[in-house]
Amino acid sequence: ETGVTQTPRHLVMGMTNKKSLKCEQHLGHNAMYWYKQSAKKPLELMFVYNFKEQTENNSVPSRFSPECPNSSHLFLHLHTLQPEDSALYLCASSQLTDTGELFFGEGSRLTVL
Amino acid sequence: QKEVEQNSGPLSVPEGAIASLNCTYSDRGSQSFFWYRQYSGKSPELIMSIYSNGDKEDGRFTAQLNKASQYVSLLIRDSQPSDSATYLCAVRPLLQGAQKLVFGQGTRLTINP
Repeated sequence: ETGVTQTPRHLVMGMTNKKSLKCEQHLGHNAMYWYKQSAKKPLELMFVYNFKEQTENNSVPSRFSPECPNSSHLFLHLHTLQPEDSALYLCASSQLTDTGELFFGEGSRLTVL
Repeated sequence: QKEVEQNSGPLSVPEGAIASLNCTYSDRGSQSFFWYRQYSGKSPELIMSIYSNGDKEDGRFTAQLNKASQYVSLLIRDSQPSDSATYLCAVRPLLQGAQKLVFGQGTRLTINP
């Protein structure tokens, strides 16, 4: 495995379901991110983790719950979502430097019915 | 005022011509600037980064930065149909911490054979 991998690639869930998105980075980076990409809107930063500690929560509703057990793994736990939460959820990683570029995974396409 | 602004397009350019993509940003203290390419149904891929005023060339791509005008651009020479994608401008605003990367809405580019 190389780069940043996300699973599942596609997920359909009802509003009462609980599911999780998984991300793993193989780049030796020490920061990981969740971004949301909705149609015709800019990428929105959701959460940032440095060395598995959360450093940013961009006013994300509590129905999204992140977990970062170590610097290589990141989860996004989903529960009681709304149809407007349907989007592409992108995981990214970077080195902790002022110029650290982000490297994205392929994304998890979420549809909430 | 949006933090990062791009013309959403679509921008149509004939094959072999120069494609010019533009981006403006609001945080005057921003230090790091990135261009990502995103093919339909795929995740963003970093193609250029630029940190100081002037031009930076990488193959057919040239990034241009003018901090005084708060303007960053991407030129694609000898455009190919494979360059057809959405191009995302991203800026690291100084005031919001070193890790937050703010994205524009993206410009959809179509190269016509």
